[in-house]
Amino acid sequence: AQKVTQAQTEISVVEKEDVTLDCVYETRDTTYYLFWYKQPPSGELVFLIRRNSFDEQNEISGRYSWNFQKSTSSFNFTITASQVVDSAVYFCALSEVGRTSGSRLTFGEGTQLTVNP
Amino acid sequence: DAMVIQNPRYQVTQFGKPVTLSCSQTLNHNVMYWYQQKSSQAPKLLFHYYDKDFNNEADTPDNFQSRRPNTSFCFLDIRSPGLGDAAMYLCATSRPFLGRADTQYFGPGTRLTVL
Repeated sequence: AQKVTQAQTEISVVEKEDVTLDCVYETRDTTYYLFWYKQPPSGELVFLIRRNSFDEQNEISGRYSWNFQKSTSSFNFTITASQVVDSAVYFCALSEVGRTSGSRLTFGEGTQLTVNP
Repeated sequence: DAMVIQNPRYQVTQFGKPVTLSCSQTLNHNVMYWYQQKSSQAPKLLFHYYDKDFNNEADTPDNFQSRRPNTSFCFLDIRSPGLGDAAMYLCATSRPFLGRADTQYFGPGTRLTVL
């Protein structure tokens, strides 16, 4: 069975601080995909990144960066120089492959990030 | 430029009164999903359609039904809403690729209140 753990339920930082959101996953599959979604107070889940299990290169997109470590089954997300607009719930999710009828996401419980001015 | 649209954004219904939530998409994706998300919880998949093929999750109550009349539209029907059905309902779409996991794109959600 697949499982995603986001141990940090809530994080509070002051604007311009760097913050890392942790994500640890469990799966028996050798091929899988990992995702991060952002859910601001408005409610929409916004796709941030997708990474497959064969690509362990770190990725940077503006102030966002992701560190994928297969050896520790982790896919952590760092926001550099946080801003108030980054305040949201962030979900890490895991998906198997090989299904032709659509993906099935296993979500973590989410981390509520609050960035204070 | 909205890609996944949900109407209405807020819906209030009475206990036991049937309600229908709507989702439409401009992405021409084969798969459409319905999720229920309660406060401070992760989204929970209710069911999904691959084209016209309906895939129900084992633990989705019979009270929840869905219809997909065409590629663009999908509806969630709650036959007899209870207080426990108050939640955010999220619609998502994806285009599957063999050998890869497809990315799901979500709509803004409909927040359902049951009085």
